[in-house]
Amino acid sequence: EVQLVESGGGLVKPGGSLRLSCAASGFTFSSYSMNWVRQAPGKGLEWVSSISSSSSHIYYADSVKGRFTISRDNAKNSLYLQMNSLRAEDTAVYYCASEGIMGAIALFDYWGQGTLVTVSS
Amino acid sequence: QSALTQPPSASGSPGQSVTISCTGTSSDVGGYNYVSWYQQHPGKAPKLMIYEVSKRPSGVPDRFSGSKSGNTASLTVSGLQAEDEADYYCSSYAGSNYVFGTGTKVTVL
Repeated sequence: EVQLVESGGGLVKPGGSLRLSCAASGFTFSSYSMNWVRQAPGKGLEWVSSISSSSSHIYYADSVKGRFTISRDNAKNSLYLQMNSLRAEDTAVYYCASEGIMGAIALFDYWGQGTLVTVSS
Repeated sequence: QSALTQPPSASGSPGQSVTISCTGTSSDVGGYNYVSWYQQHPGKAPKLMIYEVSKRPSGVPDRFSGSKSGNTASLTVSGLQAEDEADYYCSSYAGSNYVFGTGTKVTVL
């Protein structure tokens, strides 16, 4: 069974930093691209970043470019999101989502339960 | 990276059909056959319902179907059931990034 479990969320002051983690199990983590998607309270989904299986291709939404860094450790079956210079508008539930496990691309086929990041003074 | 446009709400009685539109541009919806749809119940993670415009993952009822014409994709839920009441989001590949729709709340009357 595919499982994605996020952790690392919490309350942080504007300008602060936070590192999110996503522990993956139930599939060959090193074979698939992974993504971070966020959802502000009461709002819609927003794609944040993606990383290819070997970390050779990394992409960011304009809203986080230069502040967030996605990475992965295939030996630890883990995905990360380093978030710096956090702003109030970064407040959201952050989901990690896989891409391609179902055999297709350009989709988010499995999702974690999410971790809440609150940026407030 | 502007969000795709969806109607805020849609509704139907049990057994009826509801169709949700998702309008983008030639840089996203119109440019690729990589439109997917997600169902989200309150407090839950999104769930993939449709991918590559019209394909259904294993386990998704065939009451859910997708299509695309030009820059607009659509999700149709036929034979509405109470458990279909949820928020629905479209998403499209946009060439090295992804864009989601604004979301549609489906109410089963």
